[in-house]
Amino acid sequence: DAKTTQPNSMESNEEEPVHLPCNHSTISGTDYIHWYRQLPSQGPEYVIHGLTSNVNNRMASLAIAEDRKSSTLILHRATLRDAAVYYCILRFQQKLVFGQGTRLTINP
Amino acid sequence: EAQVTQNPRYLITVTGKKLTVTCSQNMNHEYMSWYRQDPGLGLRQIYYSMNVEVTDKGDVPEGYKVSRKEKRNFPLILESPSPNQTSLYFCASSLRGLAPDTQYFGPGTRLTVL
Repeated sequence: DAKTTQPNSMESNEEEPVHLPCNHSTISGTDYIHWYRQLPSQGPEYVIHGLTSNVNNRMASLAIAEDRKSSTLILHRATLRDAAVYYCILRFQQKLVFGQGTRLTINP
Repeated sequence: EAQVTQNPRYLITVTGKKLTVTCSQNMNHEYMSWYRQDPGLGLRQIYYSMNVEVTDKGDVPEGYKVSRKEKRNFPLILESPSPNQTSLYFCASSLRGLAPDTQYFGPGTRLTVL
């Protein structure tokens, strides 16, 4: 399974944008980049995914580098409810392989 | 409401006493999976099922059994639980289990084996 590298923790302020980086230098051409998050005491929750192009949805944006060796999850205006562990996952077939993720703290 | 449900949410049991954790989804998904989450080890896949009567091992299948007799249900069976199976368990489902598919997770079952 291809690996991802994320910072252990990040901190931001409420109502400010947050950029969560992920390195995946061993990504293959068929790997999708998925982001999930896990709020305290809950199961993981899908955030966004992409293959080659940047993606937007109601929760976030995903910016994928041209060489696909890194990506950035962008929360445009963080709220306290966005405090969670964010996982960047490369997915080829059925399995999600979770790393340690980035623990995001949002300050009021 | 589309959801994955798990029961029980909390369970304390003793070594060797067989138990079943149920998982059900109402989204007509073909794919279902079980994960366990442990501090420092993250989430690891136990078993998965691509469709009814089709199951396969994940990364940590030892000590667990599963069955998939109906599309909506995917129970996790611990025939002789041991303390090292104390963990937080999550069930997940997706439409077909393909790489672009979103996986939907249940709320988790916290199991303690004494």
